[in-house]
Amino acid sequence: AQKVTQAQTEISVVEKEDVTLDCVYETRDTTYYLFWYKQPPSGELVFLIRRNSFDEQNEISGRYSWNFQKSTSSFNFTITASQVVDSAVYFCALSRANYGQNFVFGPGTRLSVLP
Amino acid sequence: DGGITQSPKYLFRKEGQNVTLSCEQNLNHDAMYWYRQDPGQGLRLIYYSQIVNDFQKGDIAEGYSVSREKKESFPLTVTSAQKNPTAFYLCASRLRPDSNQPQHFGDGTRLSIL
Repeated sequence: AQKVTQAQTEISVVEKEDVTLDCVYETRDTTYYLFWYKQPPSGELVFLIRRNSFDEQNEISGRYSWNFQKSTSSFNFTITASQVVDSAVYFCALSRANYGQNFVFGPGTRLSVLP
Repeated sequence: DGGITQSPKYLFRKEGQNVTLSCEQNLNHDAMYWYRQDPGQGLRLIYYSQIVNDFQKGDIAEGYSVSREKKESFPLTVTSAQKNPTAFYLCASRLRPDSNQPQHFGDGTRLSIL
């Protein structure tokens, strides 16, 4: 069975601090996909990044960076120099590479960035 | 612009009443999904559809019904059998259910009981 764990329920940081959101997943598949979504207070889920299981290259996009480590089944998300606008709930998700309902979300981490 | 449109944004239901939430997408995606989110909680899958005229129950389908008569439309009906319908409902679509593409979400509908 597939499972995504986000052990940090809530995190509070002060603006300009760096913060890392943890994501640990479980799957027996050799091919799978990992995603991060942001849910701001307005409610919609915004897609941030996708990572294929066969591509362990880390990625940086502006203040955001993602560290994918297959050996520890983790796909962590770091925000550098956090801003108030980063305050949101962040979800990690896992998708299998086969037909059927295969999209599993983690429980989410609520990030509060204080001014 | 391509995207997913959910309507209405806010909806109120009276006791014993069925209500229907609309979800339309113009992304030409095969798969569509309905999620329920309670305050401070994660997403729970209600129903999903991988292709037109086909849909499957998710984890919490009781008290809900759906249809998928057109590729672009996946309405969700909250029936009177759903005793605790107050929640935030999110619709999503995906290019293909087995692809590496992400799910794309609408802006959601907030349902409350009068």
